[in-house]
Amino acid sequence: GDSVTQTEGLVTVTEGLPVKLNCTYQTTYLTIAFFWYVQYLNEAPQVLLRSSTDNKRTEHQGFHATLHKSSSSFHLQKSSAQLSDSALYYCAHSGGNYKPTFGKGTSLVVHP
Amino acid sequence: EAAVTQSPRNKVTVTGGNVTLSCRQTNSHNYMYWYRQDTGHGLRLIHYSYGAGNLQIGDVPDGYKATRTTQEDFFLLLELASPSQTSLYFCASREDRVNYAEQFFGPGTRLTVL
Repeated sequence: GDSVTQTEGLVTVTEGLPVKLNCTYQTTYLTIAFFWYVQYLNEAPQVLLRSSTDNKRTEHQGFHATLHKSSSSFHLQKSSAQLSDSALYYCAHSGGNYKPTFGKGTSLVVHP
Repeated sequence: EAAVTQSPRNKVTVTGGNVTLSCRQTNSHNYMYWYRQDTGHGLRLIHYSYGAGNLQIGDVPDGYKATRTTQEDFFLLLELASPSQTSLYFCASREDRVNYAEQFFGPGTRLTVL
């Protein structure tokens, strides 16, 4: 069945240093979209990035991700983490028949 | 901008109690979803729907019923609430015209079952 696997648990990084959150997936569907959602404390998840094109980099708010179908990955990266990036991050795909699949989430803590 | 609202925002009930969580979206989206969010499990899909009267089973449906009365309104029903259903519940909607459409989430309802 469909699944999304993320870097588990907690990732901590020092402000100004690069950060990478891993996301790999399994799916039998060929035409689906991939997303990173961000959830700040006491808020709802909101979309950060999306992609449906193989090997094309997508960027938003300093974050970037590239869908690699050959390795079934959609890792999230940022070259310089900010304190305001501390949040819970979800990788997801749109799935088949409009049934989405989410990973379990990765908490990012950026410290001074 | 998508608008998804949920009510109540907080609810406390007792074991065996009856609870209804409400969700309304005003963006003419056909698809609506109910999730629960728990530490260590992330977002888990309970039920979803394509339009009024339609219901699809999600990944964790046991103990939950849902009903979609109109395009705008989607309800989650817990008829015999149990402590294991204590959680943060999110509703979401998305359009179905494009494959890469994101979901828009409501603010969430925190449910505590004593």
